[in-house]
Amino acid sequence: AQSVTQLGSHVSVSEGALVLLRCNYSSSVPPYLFWYVQYPNQGLQLLLKYTSAATLVKGINGFEAEFKKSETSFHLTKPSAHMSDAAEYFCAVSDPINGNQFYFGTGTSLTVIP
Amino acid sequence: DVKVTQSSRYLVKRTGEKVFLECVQDMDHENMFWYRQDPGLGLRLIYFSYDVKMKEKGDIPEGYSVSREKKERFSLILESASTNQTSMYLCASSLWSARGELFFGEGSRLTVL
Repeated sequence: AQSVTQLGSHVSVSEGALVLLRCNYSSSVPPYLFWYVQYPNQGLQLLLKYTSAATLVKGINGFEAEFKKSETSFHLTKPSAHMSDAAEYFCAVSDPINGNQFYFGTGTSLTVIP
Repeated sequence: DVKVTQSSRYLVKRTGEKVFLECVQDMDHENMFWYRQDPGLGLRLIYFSYDVKMKEKGDIPEGYSVSREKKERFSLILESASTNQTSMYLCASSLWSARGELFFGEGSRLTVL
């Protein structure tokens, strides 16, 4: 079975500072990896995904993530935080063998301090 | 753009009532999912469906049932709502491929009194 761990349920950064949200996965085979963002009282929106092409993936709103197989990690970064980045972020993996199975982390709430 | 529409954004029901949550997607996706979201617990899968009239239990199916009579529509049913089913319910759809991401609806926030 696959699992996803997001370190830090709450992260605070100052506006303009680096955003780093951590995600580690456990899987017997390299999975496909996703980051989603959720704004208050809304559904989840895809930020970016890794599906075995380039290991550095660029997404929307200036976010990017790097797949590191040796570290089983897929951390999300943004060079300069904006107030509008305040939201809940979820890391997810899907099973490359079974396309029905998605596994989510418990989420990280990002606060941006003016 | 893919659109997943959930019929109700906010519902308030009483204990014991039957509750229907409906979800419609417009991109001909094979897979549809119902998740429950609670603070600190992330998203937990209730049921999913990979084809019309097909359904599979997820991690927390107890107290819920689903119906998929048409490819675009996936309904979640609470036969007798209880207070511990107060939650945010999220519907999602995807192509039949692990590469295909989930597309989510806006969510339905259910309160059971």
